[in-house]
Amino acid sequence: SQKIEQNSEALNIQEGKTATLTCNYTNYSPAYLQWYRQDPGRGPVFLLLIRENEKEKRKERLKVTFDTTLKQSLFHITASQPADSATYLCAPVGAGSYQLTFGKGTKLSVIP
Amino acid sequence: GAGVSQTPSNKVTEKGKYVELRCDPISGHTALYWYRQSLGQGPEFLIYFQGTGAADDSGLPNDRFFAVRPEGSVSTLKIQRTERGDSAVYLCASSIGQGGGQFFGPGTRLTVL
Repeated sequence: SQKIEQNSEALNIQEGKTATLTCNYTNYSPAYLQWYRQDPGRGPVFLLLIRENEKEKRKERLKVTFDTTLKQSLFHITASQPADSATYLCAPVGAGSYQLTFGKGTKLSVIP
Repeated sequence: GAGVSQTPSNKVTEKGKYVELRCDPISGHTALYWYRQSLGQGPEFLIYFQGTGAADDSGLPNDRFFAVRPEGSVSTLKIQRTERGDSAVYLCASSIGQGGGQFFGPGTRLTVL
């Protein structure tokens, strides 16, 4: 069955450092992968989408990579700030699909 | 409105009762999705609408769950004979079409006593 694993349930990092979150998937051949941010008591917020033929995508301090051979996506936040503290969710999506299947998420805490 | 809205924000009901959860998507978004999220888990897909029709209801857990979108805008998720295991946050999302980022509402927290 399809499985999505995000590296750890919680990640603590010092302000100013780069946070790296991992998303591994098995029994999937996603056409693209999405990353979302979720704050407590709120719905997820769409951050980035990366397609299978894209190795890397950037948006401001965010960078996402997608390695279809390793079946892995890495999500980086550079110059992290306490306001980046949230749970980050990845969702690989199959070709022609529309439903999102999420991992459990990684709770990031940026310590001042 | 500027974003997806959901009402009520909280719903407490007793086991066996019927509940309706409402979703107002972003204007112009033809695709609408319902998800359910339990504590410590990612959202779990329930149903997808394209326009007025349910294009995929494969995520609905059983026939106690039903959703409608009669005019292609507002959607209502209906749960009959609620069970304690139905307690979760029910999230609605919309998008312009399929294949892009989805815009989520704040969710309805359903508690079945």
